[in-house]
Amino acid sequence: DAKTTQPPSMDCAEGRAANLPCNHSTISGNEYVYWYRQIHSQGPQYIIHGLKNNETNEMASLIITEDRKSSTLILPHATLRDTAVYYCIVRVSYKLSFGAGTTVTVRA
Amino acid sequence: ETGVTQTPRHLVMGMTNKKSLKCEQHLGHNAMYWYKQSAKKPLELMFVYNFKEQTENNSVPSRFSPECPNSSHLFLHLHTLQPEDSALYLCASSQALAGGGNEQFFGPGTRLTVL
Repeated sequence: DAKTTQPPSMDCAEGRAANLPCNHSTISGNEYVYWYRQIHSQGPQYIIHGLKNNETNEMASLIITEDRKSSTLILPHATLRDTAVYYCIVRVSYKLSFGAGTTVTVRA
Repeated sequence: ETGVTQTPRHLVMGMTNKKSLKCEQHLGHNAMYWYKQSAKKPLELMFVYNFKEQTENNSVPSRFSPECPNSSHLFLHLHTLQPEDSALYLCASSQALAGGGNEQFFGPGTRLTVL
């Protein structure tokens, strides 16, 4: 599975959109982009995934560039409860490789 | 609520004890997983089961013994653990094993402390 690069941390104001970048320049054609988050001491929570097209669900939007070498997770209206570590994972098999992720802190 | 429950949520045990962790999924999934998350480290995949059959043992020491009696239940039996085994143990399930479109749903985890 391809490796991903994420910024270690970012702050976001409550009520504003949070845009989380992820680079995956070695992604192959059949690898999906997944996003999970982990709130302190809880199990990871699935957010969204995509292959080529942009995706949206009740939690977030996923924007994948046309060359698929990077993507952005968008939390449209961040709340304090969105404070967590966000993981961008590229995979084709069942194996989820969690890196260090981005620690997102939403501030009032 | 993700549909995956784990008990107990917290466990303290001595090195000579025998204990078991339980995971149950109410999602009708066919694949189940055990992960370990030590402090300041990424999640590590330990075991994978698909339709009750073990498909992966990620070089886990024999003091950890998994059991999958049916597709809804997964156990992790613990014996003669070491203090370095203290960690958050997470269970997950997915509809199918293979394929990139199968998201895994995680339970809340069991926080294990070995004294």
